[in-house]
Amino acid sequence: QQQVKQSPQSLIVQKGGISIINCAYENTAFDYFPWYQQFPGKGPALLIAIRPDVSEKKEGRFTISFNKSAKQFSLHIMDSQPGDSATYFCAASKNNAGNMLTFGGGTRLMVKP
Amino acid sequence: DAGITQSPRYKITETGRQVTLMCHQTWSHSYMFWYRQDLGHGLRLIYYSAAADITDKGEVPDGYVVSRSKTENFPLTLESATRSQTSVYFCASSELAARTGETQYFGPGTRLLVL
Repeated sequence: QQQVKQSPQSLIVQKGGISIINCAYENTAFDYFPWYQQFPGKGPALLIAIRPDVSEKKEGRFTISFNKSAKQFSLHIMDSQPGDSATYFCAASKNNAGNMLTFGGGTRLMVKP
Repeated sequence: DAGITQSPRYKITETGRQVTLMCHQTWSHSYMFWYRQDLGHGLRLIYYSAAADITDKGEVPDGYVVSRSKTENFPLTLESATRSQTSVYFCASSELAARTGETQYFGPGTRLLVL
């Protein structure tokens, strides 16, 4: 049973456009929601993260929107660039779970020049 | 400053053979993790370790064995490799934190093919 569902599986966006990736979770005990970015041949790296006490967090062109009542969160990439082409994973963890993360299935983003 | 390294980077083996994937981190992080990455499944946790000599199962532990005699090393062994274990394996580490959510730092991965 997948506790974190991510969509879409793949996404193509024109340069300068907005990329939006969505995740939904089931376990209300989750209290930390990071996004990881992975380039081909590399390991994932933390991009941005949010806790449920805020509804939005912005870092540069990357924004997480969080809807606690709907148990959904999303990543928005503004002014998408070809260098943003990568696979993005949402994840979630719960308190007292030993730093364990539950990952979504991933979204492969391609930004066309 | 090597960070977190994995070896080998690529491995081809045959069904039934034992394979050990190595992971080494230089940060003295308390937590270490092994994930496998398969298309459509994202990253699934195999085993994790909170400290030396403390290990626990993750989501998909069957067919794998881990040990952690030293803080910096966390080897993963496939005792009798099967084709279904063909995957990309990632090791990660994170600091001990009072709250959840400390960043996990991933290695470059080991691509394993079981024939």
